Amino acid sequence: NAGVTQTPKFQVLKTGQSMTLQCAQDMNHEYMSWYRQDPGMGLRLIHYSVGAGITDQGEVPNGYNVSRSTTEDFPLRLLSAAPSQTSVYFCASSYDGPYEQYFGPGTRLTVT
Amino acid sequence: DAKTTQPTSMDCAEGRAANLPCNHSTISGNEYVYWYRQIHSQGPQYIIHGLKNNETNEMASLIITEDRKSSTLILPHATLRDTAVYYCIAPRRSNYQLIWGAGTKLIIKP
Repeated sequence: NAGVTQTPKFQVLKTGQSMTLQCAQDMNHEYMSWYRQDPGMGLRLIHYSVGAGITDQGEVPNGYNVSRSTTEDFPLRLLSAAPSQTSVYFCASSYDGPYEQYFGPGTRLTVT
Repeated sequence: DAKTTQPTSMDCAEGRAANLPCNHSTISGNEYVYWYRQIHSQGPQYIIHGLKNNETNEMASLIITEDRKSSTLILPHATLRDTAVYYCIAPRRSNYQLIWGAGTKLIIKP
């Protein structure tokens, strides 16, 4: 099993650009989530999904969109990048809830 | 929403038990307490979770007080590889969202 994979590992964007962070898991997990982590802080939940076709907002959803068309993939779209979105983004998955989540290696995003 | 309080940092000698406290006095009766850790800049790693009873797995033990207002994560024989930030986490609104604080930076010293 590859576990949870995220691409790209690093990304630099200019203000106003859009992009999609990719996340995939091969463990047939129903629950998937996106977090951001700013320096010296804990993770904050952006969006989550409890199964294909079902998504919901987390703590900090503004400026981000998600969709879940398959069980395996959960992409995160930045609509119009802002410097405040400079952060490390983690994707996670688990069988059916936020306990025992498996995390990806993260994407380090810088917006200039 | 439940909220957790943890010490900012702790030291522990290698080979000794590391006891990491967490206060969650506002947690509701049906909300779990979760523990994760994050080594350097890697993705967090799940350790354990519990509701009322004490829990143990191959990584750690979780002791929850009878009134559920606090808990302690115990790493029985700490090694240098256990140096990490440890997060005690409570749910938000439902058990589908977790609120992460800044965690406890645990340093294992040789």
